[in-house]
Amino acid sequence: GQQVMQIPQYQHVQEGEDFTTYCNSSTTLSNIQWYKQRPGGHPVFLIQLVKSGEVKKQKRLTFQFGEAKKNSSLHITATQTTDVGTYFCAAFTRLPNSGYALNFGKGTSLLVTP
Amino acid sequence: DTGVSQNPRHKITKRGQNVTFRCDPISEHNRLYWYRQTLGQGPEFLTYFQNEAQLEKSRLLSDRFSAERPKGSFSTLEIQRTEQGDSAMYLCASSLGTRPSTDTQYFGPGTRLTVL
Repeated sequence: GQQVMQIPQYQHVQEGEDFTTYCNSSTTLSNIQWYKQRPGGHPVFLIQLVKSGEVKKQKRLTFQFGEAKKNSSLHITATQTTDVGTYFCAAFTRLPNSGYALNFGKGTSLLVTP
Repeated sequence: DTGVSQNPRHKITKRGQNVTFRCDPISEHNRLYWYRQTLGQGPEFLTYFQNEAQLEKSRLLSDRFSAERPKGSFSTLEIQRTEQGDSAMYLCASSLGTRPSTDTQYFGPGTRLTVL
């Protein structure tokens, strides 16, 4: 399957600082999805990127898909304590019987100190 | 609430016991997925259903695991003779199924299993 690697594993910032997490693949991805998981919670879908070089924004969150469709990033401007959680990138991987499943990175855990 | 629901939310069991979890997907979703998540890791795919048919199983799904979706609605995941290594969060997700390679998967709250 398509393996996705995420860095950093952890990030601790002061409230108001910016935060970026990176997702990389050795193979070209058809699309990439980002999820957020709050402590004790479940993954919640944030966004899907499909096009080469695509940039999408959701308020303080900016998502980018690389030109070669092998990497992606999530940038949060001026973090708030509500941003605390683990951010996962995920790519669809083709299964043996023609189905698809999400292949998740290990995630980046963000801690924001007031 | 029309999201994905899972029961129970927590299960503590002794090694060797059998456990069963239930997932109720979003009502119009044809595809249902089971994932397992351990501490510090992202969710890992276990199996999925298109309506009532189980179409794929991961190598992670040993013979002790069985999943069903008898009427194409809710699904159950059973683990027989549980082992301590089965301790994890078991997540269910559903999607429309119109375009499986791009459809958003919506996750339930998960069932956290602890095997003593």
